Order: sequence, then structure tokens, then C-alpha cells
Amino acid sequence: AQSVTQLDSHVSVSEGTPVLLRCNYSSSYSPSLFWYVQHPNKGLQLLLKYTSAATLVKGINGFEAEFKKSETSFHLTKPSAHMSDAAEYFCVVSETGRRALTFGSGTRLQVQP
Amino acid sequence: NAGVTQTPKFRVLKTGQSMTLLCAQDMNHEYMYWYRQDPGMGLRLIHYSVGEGTTAKGEVPDGYNVSRLKKQNFLLGLESAAPSQTSVYFCASSRGPLNQPQHFGDGTRLSIL
Repeated sequence: AQSVTQLDSHVSVSEGTPVLLRCNYSSSYSPSLFWYVQHPNKGLQLLLKYTSAATLVKGINGFEAEFKKSETSFHLTKPSAHMSDAAEYFCVVSETGRRALTFGSGTRLQVQP
Repeated sequence: NAGVTQTPKFRVLKTGQSMTLLCAQDMNHEYMYWYRQDPGMGLRLIHYSVGEGTTAKGEVPDGYNVSRLKKQNFLLGLESAAPSQTSVYFCASSRGPLNQPQHFGDGTRLSIL
């Protein structure tokens, strides 16, 4: 069975400092992993995707994530936060043959000036 | 460059009323999905479609019906609305199965009184 745990429901950083949003997953098979971002009153937008190629995945807006199979983690990072990064972030897992994506419960990122 | 368009954006219903949410995509995607988003729970799949004329149940299908008469449209119906169906509903589409990125609409905020 697949599951996703986002370890922090809220993260607050100062503008210009690094961002780390943590995600652990459980999957019976080789999963596909995604990070999506949701700005207020908007739908989800894909940040990046891992599908068993390079373990370090680069996404849009300077975000990247590293797939660590031994730790079953897929943490999202950004070297320097911008005010426009304030949003909710979802870690998502899918397995071949499953009929649905599994979404984490989300991490709300606040960026302080 | 519309992408995925949902109508209406907001709606208030009384218990027992019926309504239909419309989703339209202009990307010629085969797969379409309906999700609901509730606080602290991420997104949960209601129904999905893998092509024109096909539909299938997701994780939380009870109380909802769907139709995909045209490739570009995916309708979600509530036959007899209940307060437990108060939620934000998102439609998404993708080129292929679950390892493909999904493109989301901006959501429909539905309140059932």
C-alpha cells in the first residue's frame, strides 16, 4: 500500500533563507513522486516529478527534491525563499497499477519579510 | 491558454438539492479526475475517466455521479446534497496514467446548508 507523510504542517522561514519541506513515503513498488504547490484560491501546480531517473530532481522556481530510497524520503528544498513562495505544498505518490494518487496532508509555507 | 476550467466557482446549496459541476479542458487530455479537498486531508479522488465515454470510481465515490460524454468535458453530479459534501472540488486532467503530471482547475467551493 502507498502512503505519504508530510512531517510538518506549517513551516515559517525568513525571505532569503533556505527552505526544507519534508516528505516520507511508503510504497510497495517503485513509485512516481511529485511535489505540487497550491496558492490561495487556486488549483495545484506541478513543481517537480521523480520517475526513477536521476535521484536529484530540479523543478520550477528554483525548487529541487532528492529521492532517497534508503530513507524513503523525498524532501523539497530551495536555497533562498522568496515572498511569492508562500503557499501550501503537497507531496504526492503514485504506483503502477494503482487507481489513485496519494496526497500528503500538505505543508503551509510562510515567508517572513 | 485556458487549461482546465471549472464552473461554477462558488455555490451554496440546501440539503437535498442537486447540482452539476462542469469541468472543461482544452489540452486534448485523455484522463480526467474529480477530487475533493478538505482541511488537513490533502486531496481525495472521487471519480475519474480514462477516455471519452468511460468513468470509474475513486476513493470516495458515494453520493456522486459523473459523465464524460465529450473528451473535453467531465461532469460531477450531486443528486441529493448533504452537509458532509461541503468541500472544495477540483478537476484535473492528464495525458496519461498516474505517473503523468496532472493539470488542475482553480476549484469550486461548495457549501451545503
